[in-house]
Amino acid sequence: RKEVEQDPGPFNVPEGATVAFNCTYSNSASQSFFWYRQDCRKEPKLLMSVYSSGNEDGRFTAQLNRASQYISLLIRDSKLSDSATYLCVVTGGFYGGATNKLIFGTGTLLAVQP
Amino acid sequence: SQTIHQWPATLVQPVGSPLSLECTVEGTSNPNLYWYRQAAGRGLQLLFYSVGIGQISSEVPQNLSASRPQDRQFILSSKKLLLSDSGFYLCARSDRLHEKLFFGSGTQLSVL
Repeated sequence: RKEVEQDPGPFNVPEGATVAFNCTYSNSASQSFFWYRQDCRKEPKLLMSVYSSGNEDGRFTAQLNRASQYISLLIRDSKLSDSATYLCVVTGGFYGGATNKLIFGTGTLLAVQP
Repeated sequence: SQTIHQWPATLVQPVGSPLSLECTVEGTSNPNLYWYRQAAGRGLQLLFYSVGIGQISSEVPQNLSASRPQDRQFILSSKKLLLSDSGFYLCARSDRLHEKLFFGSGTQLSVL
């Protein structure tokens, strides 16, 4: 099983639609979770951190489900400019006093259609 | 504000040639610095990270090396490039080790 798994997509949605991505992780000890956005041939940019209580930033909502070991990203009222690859990022966990590195998913491609 | 400078944006190199990619950071002191590689259709792979001057941790055995000669400078090198070294190389920084990362604009390396 991969450490972090995402549906590669593409998710083709019309403008104004609501779309949700899930990301599963294998390490139950993981402590930090993030969503990054990456445009084609550009660097990943932090979209939002994911907190246990869930968090919202405008049209974007992130949630964490520790019991089922997945995080989700919900985008409401999709814009053409939301078209990008969304990367799920999870810390590897906390073992023996050493924090493990960040594990990146391969990303989910979102294409918002006019 | 904190800025990461990474250059060049694009690089085409023949197999067997040397490589030197430089990353500099502004607006912060003693950052944690990282080199990642993203191959086509694959996730980001951590190559090296550094918590301070002269301190380098290697994640993957390979023909690449890294150095941190100054607090805000991180260099990725190779003596002889392989075809498999092609990819998108990203420098990143964080305030806490292996936490929220901020990336430079990346270098697309093609080894031919």
